[in-house]
Amino acid sequence: NAGVTQTPKFRVLKTGQSMTLLCAQDMNHEYMYWYRQDPGMGLRLIHYSVGEGTTAKGEVPDGYNVSRLKKQNFLLGLESAAPSQTSVYFCASSYKQLAWADTQYFGPGTRLTVL
Amino acid sequence: DQQVKQNSPSLSVQEGRISILNCDYTNSMFDYFLWYKKYPAEGPTFLISISSIKDKNEDGRFTVFLNKSAKHLSLHIVPSQPGDSAVYFCAAVFQGGSEKLVFGKGTKLTVNP
Repeated sequence: NAGVTQTPKFRVLKTGQSMTLLCAQDMNHEYMYWYRQDPGMGLRLIHYSVGEGTTAKGEVPDGYNVSRLKKQNFLLGLESAAPSQTSVYFCASSYKQLAWADTQYFGPGTRLTVL
Repeated sequence: DQQVKQNSPSLSVQEGRISILNCDYTNSMFDYFLWYKKYPAEGPTFLISISSIKDKNEDGRFTVFLNKSAKHLSLHIVPSQPGDSAVYFCAAVFQGGSEKLVFGKGTKLTVNP
């Protein structure tokens, strides 16, 4: 099992450009999440999904959109990138509710720089 | 307003000694707490968790203590090893609510040989 994979690993964008980050998991998990981590900050939840076809806003959703067309994939889109979106992005997945599973499994991260 | 606080950005200990990482929370609705470990250029990995109905959970060298009245938890690593050097994140969740994890800012642990 590959676990949680993220594509790409690194990306540099210019202000105003768009891009999509792909997250894939092969553990048949229901829940998937997108976080961002900034220097000196904890992980902050951007959007999450509790199942195929569903998405919901997290703590810092502005400037991002997501889609969960297939259970194994969770896409994070930036329509018009801004320097404030320079960050490391982590995707995670979990079986279902945290009461039933001890953990979320994280991908290796995508380092995004917006110039 | 930060609901999960890790007030020590860094901690340095000698190999073989005990490492104690602290975490405070403000939301009394949190009922499940987790510790994650993160190495550079990798995603966080789950380390240990504790439910609010317990005050201690142990897994090998790692023990988490929960003091609900003080809204405080701590992670003890005994004995500390150089491979434990990483950033440790405390996280909390209200299982009957949004199921969303709230993370602290992390503590960077350095274990010196």
